[in-house]
Amino acid sequence: GIQVEQSPPDLILQEGANSTLRCNFSDSVNNLQWFHQNPWGQLINLFYIPSGTKQNGRLSATTVATERYSLLYISSSQTTDSGVYFCAVSGYSTLTFGKGTMLLVSP
Amino acid sequence: EAGVAQSPRYKIIEKRQSVAFWCNPISGHATLYWYQQILGQGPKLLIQFQNNGVVDDSQLPKDRFSAERLKGVDSTLKIQPAKLEDSAVYLCASSHQSGGWVEQYFGPGTRLTVT
Repeated sequence: GIQVEQSPPDLILQEGANSTLRCNFSDSVNNLQWFHQNPWGQLINLFYIPSGTKQNGRLSATTVATERYSLLYISSSQTTDSGVYFCAVSGYSTLTFGKGTMLLVSP
Repeated sequence: EAGVAQSPRYKIIEKRQSVAFWCNPISGHATLYWYQQILGQGPKLLIQFQNNGVVDDSQLPKDRFSAERLKGVDSTLKIQPAKLEDSAVYLCASSHQSGGWVEQYFGPGTRLTVT
């Protein structure tokens, strides 16, 4: 099956800082989603981005499908951004998740 | 638009007991998924339904886990008997169709603790 690697595994930021999270995957994909899992366990859809670039407020994402990676950018981070960020990909069926990046934003 | 609903949100049981979780997907979504998320890991697919038929249950431990989706809407996931290693968050997701290229939406999850 498709392998998904996320980096870094942990990240600590001061409020207001910017960050880049990376997702590498081992095969071509038809679906790539970024999720934020909040401290209560809810998985929140951030982006559906099998290719190209999207922006939503302080967050943006870029997927370069031909090179098998995706980047999630967080600008001007806030304490509410804390949690785990997951990248998930699929070819033709099963969505496979990476192990996530745990982000802690301190005031 | 209402999201994916799950209940209960939390459940504590003793090993060898049975437990059931309920999921109501987003209205109109034909495909429903159950995932297991163990602490520190990403979610892992247990079973996928398309309407009321099973598309993929290859990672479902069928000796103790069962799931059904009657009438192609709500679904229940059951564990009988539970083991300590079943302690996890059980997530339900739905999408408007099957296939790898569709966006999935997740419910709040049920946190199961087996003692």
